[in-house]
Amino acid sequence: GAGVSQSPRYKVAKRGQDVALRCDPISGHVSLFWYQQALGQGPEFLTYFQNEAQLDKSGLPSDRFFAERPEGSVSTLKIQRTQQEDSAVYLCASSFTMGVGIEQFFGPGTRLTVL
Amino acid sequence: QQPVQSPQAVILREGEDAVINCSSSKALYSVHWYRQKHGEAPVFLMILLKGGEQKGHEKISASFNEKKQQSSLYLTASQLSYSGTYFCGTDYSGAGSYQLTFGKGTKLSVIP
Repeated sequence: GAGVSQSPRYKVAKRGQDVALRCDPISGHVSLFWYQQALGQGPEFLTYFQNEAQLDKSGLPSDRFFAERPEGSVSTLKIQRTQQEDSAVYLCASSFTMGVGIEQFFGPGTRLTVL
Repeated sequence: QQPVQSPQAVILREGEDAVINCSSSKALYSVHWYRQKHGEAPVFLMILLKGGEQKGHEKISASFNEKKQQSSLYLTASQLSYSGTYFCGTDYSGAGSYQLTFGKGTKLSVIP
């Protein structure tokens, strides 16, 4: 497909488990963003990649959160030792370049529920 | 600092107009508007840039008041498909990561 895809769409984890969330950006898009969206709230920035370089990870809430994009395309967000407060929708977005006023295209998100 | 959106929710009948506002206490480089339906991805609507340039859809218009650091989204002759939650995302950086800081959203319901 032409859009951003994410997998899995839904993930249920027991507290303490590790999870990995995948994002496939639009082909050729240089920039990739991860956002966290709590119920009834707007997306909150987690981290940003330009190609394979992670240029900003200031939004990651703790050192349990880790993101990578080793080949500059697919990205994985990993959460170690999940906690209940990690329950949220994790959105991935990509843009074809970086700069002011460049559209970010969002994927459908992964809904993570930690029991 | 999160931008403030108003109203929080609005109900319209088909054909009516609506305005959604987004205010910031910090200087903005650009404002991005998205619509999100339940369980779906946010869909890009429009970008407004400092200096007046706009990019977006033909049937939706918006304004950006640089002095007041405010943006307004204008929805005219609303259709049932306009229902959803509208988010403004603000770019404070002008350089760097271009992350967006989103408001809490405005829930729009269009009824027949």
